[in-house]
Amino acid sequence: QKEVEQNSGPLSVPEGAIASLNCTYSDRGSQSFFWYRQYSGKSPELIMFIYSNGDKEDGRFTAQLNKASQYVSLLIRDSQPSDSATYLCAVRGSNYQLIWGAGTKLIIKP
Amino acid sequence: SAVISQKPSRDICQRGTSLTIQCQVDSQVTMMFWYRQQPGQSLTLIATANQGSEATYESGFVIDKFPISRPNLTFSTLTVSNMSPEDSSIYLCTGGGTEAFFGQGTRLTVV
Repeated sequence: QKEVEQNSGPLSVPEGAIASLNCTYSDRGSQSFFWYRQYSGKSPELIMFIYSNGDKEDGRFTAQLNKASQYVSLLIRDSQPSDSATYLCAVRGSNYQLIWGAGTKLIIKP
Repeated sequence: SAVISQKPSRDICQRGTSLTIQCQVDSQVTMMFWYRQQPGQSLTLIATANQGSEATYESGFVIDKFPISRPNLTFSTLTVSNMSPEDSSIYLCTGGGTEAFFGQGTRLTVV
């Protein structure tokens, strides 16, 4: 069964520091990887997607993909209290469906 | 990026009744997906809706309980039938594409 694993947290990070969120996946054939942010009571908001090995940067966010090791990570630089949310990792399988991790709750402490 | 509109955004329903949720995408997409997110949980795929064919349901979800329509490439509906309190969840739709975007979701409470 194809799986996506995330540490449920909560992960507590001081304001201004780097938050590092990790995700591992089981399907070696996966090609697309997505990070979503979800505030309580709201729908998931796409932050970044990545297809190729290496890093992809967008503002304070960097997604890192290592297909050989089957992990994808999200770094948030200069963390802000508004970054406090649950971060969901999703992997697109060969049937085009997204397989979801359980999410990591991130708390940024002022 | 696709814009997805979903309505209603929230509803409180009596048990035993049905609610139909609408999902509109601003561009044509081949596949649309319906998810459920129960409190404190991650997303669970209910079904995949392709235009012109019957929806494909995931294990644990059946057409009688969650009938889906897909009349064209920009629109789909999900009906939650004969509701019980266990159906209280956020229901989300998304359109297939390079990136997967969600609408605001439908927060359903069954009393």
